[in-house]
Amino acid sequence: QKEVEQDPGPLSVPEGAIVSLNCTYSNSAFQYFMWYRQYSRKGPELLMYTYSSGNKEDGRFTAQVDKSSKYISLFIRDSQPSDSATYLCAMSATYGGADGLTFGKGTHLIIQP
Amino acid sequence: GAGVSQSPRYKVAKRGQDVALRCDPISGHVSLFWYQQALGQGPEFLTYFQNEAQLDKSGLPSDRFFAERPEGSVSTLKIQRTQQEDSAVYLCASSFYTGGSSGANVLTFGAGSRLTVL
Repeated sequence: QKEVEQDPGPLSVPEGAIVSLNCTYSNSAFQYFMWYRQYSRKGPELLMYTYSSGNKEDGRFTAQVDKSSKYISLFIRDSQPSDSATYLCAMSATYGGADGLTFGKGTHLIIQP
Repeated sequence: GAGVSQSPRYKVAKRGQDVALRCDPISGHVSLFWYQQALGQGPEFLTYFQNEAQLDKSGLPSDRFFAERPEGSVSTLKIQRTQQEDSAVYLCASSFYTGGSSGANVLTFGAGSRLTVL
């Protein structure tokens, strides 16, 4: 079992829908949680980061971390075709991420116009 | 520069050839990371530099992989005697400190160097 599990999809939803993306993890030492968006043939781009448990909102994006369940989520409201991309969850145990981020496999999201 | 720059963007090598991949991080970023991303997978950590010091190389898959950052800015990832399993996108990232007690190094990734070994 990998340290971080993420359904690779593809996940296809109509424009305007609320999207829910999730990851589970096994390493209880993880404290820093991130969501990256990756377009085809591009590098990952940071969307959200959260320290420890709780919620964080930024525009149409909300990140949730439940450390007791080892479960993190990213919600996208009013989804747009431009949101079509691969979404990667990532996490680390150390302050500063010097141990290297552990990524999920990524979920391929398709927003249908 | 404005972002992390990697070159070459695409590299085709014959099995057994040596390759060198270059990363120009964001100016002033102290930390630099290399990741390997196989097709359909998430990036996997290879190595980490703080300035010119290589603090962690635990992710390098074999002794054929070597990374350096001699002056604390540009970094080179070298792969010797390439094998087909080395085919992947090699991502470089640099980071800055976000500040605060709950801050974390926020990684900015380059577009990657796509290596294909025939």
